[in-house]
Amino acid sequence: KAGVTQTPRYLIKTRGQQVTLSCSPISGHRSVSWYQQTPGQGLQFLFEYFSETQRNKGNFPGRFSGRQFSNSRSEMNVSTLELGDSALYLCASSLEQGEGYTFGSGTRLTVV
Amino acid sequence: AQSVTQLDSQVPVFEEAPVELRCNYSSSVSVYLFWYVQYPNQGLQLLLKYLSGSTLVKGINGFEAEFNKSQTSFHLRKPSVHISDTAEYFCAVSRWDTGFQKLVFGTGTRLLVSP
Repeated sequence: KAGVTQTPRYLIKTRGQQVTLSCSPISGHRSVSWYQQTPGQGLQFLFEYFSETQRNKGNFPGRFSGRQFSNSRSEMNVSTLELGDSALYLCASSLEQGEGYTFGSGTRLTVV
Repeated sequence: AQSVTQLDSQVPVFEEAPVELRCNYSSSVSVYLFWYVQYPNQGLQLLLKYLSGSTLVKGINGFEAEFNKSQTSFHLRKPSVHISDTAEYFCAVSRWDTGFQKLVFGTGTRLLVSP
């Protein structure tokens, strides 16, 4: 079966712009989570959605937001980009409790 | 809150030698435990997980891990490594009472396998 698909793979944006990243989970998976990976901070949890509802949120500023659609696809948005937002953004999906998350290949965002 | 400590940032090893990557966690509640591997320019791949039951967990690619509640550890082992095992390995925990909605990761251990 197809894995978790994230688009685009690479993105270059300018400070102050906004960006939207997309994630298509594995078919049938209803839980989608987002993580930010940077060399300095490592892997940090952004938020988790289940059936279009945000169930859990990490410690990020309000510039980071997300949503989930009825087909479980998810988007995350970062407004007013800062240089420090440069990172690999990973999306992960899961079918049900206990299975563990399957991660996508990520979107590498570079802010210049 | 949960936290994860991966004691070694880098582990060099020769091909066909055994390896152990160490992971300790702290939590006031029961947790689920995971090991993920990340190859360059890729996402994370689940190697194995501990949810309950047998404390020895076997995963993919010949890896296994042992959950030790008294030591709050979940060390990853492989009896004989290959060059292709060179990658970054992450230990992660999530709270038992909230399922696995949020993973807390360690800082990672880079495994370097040389011929």
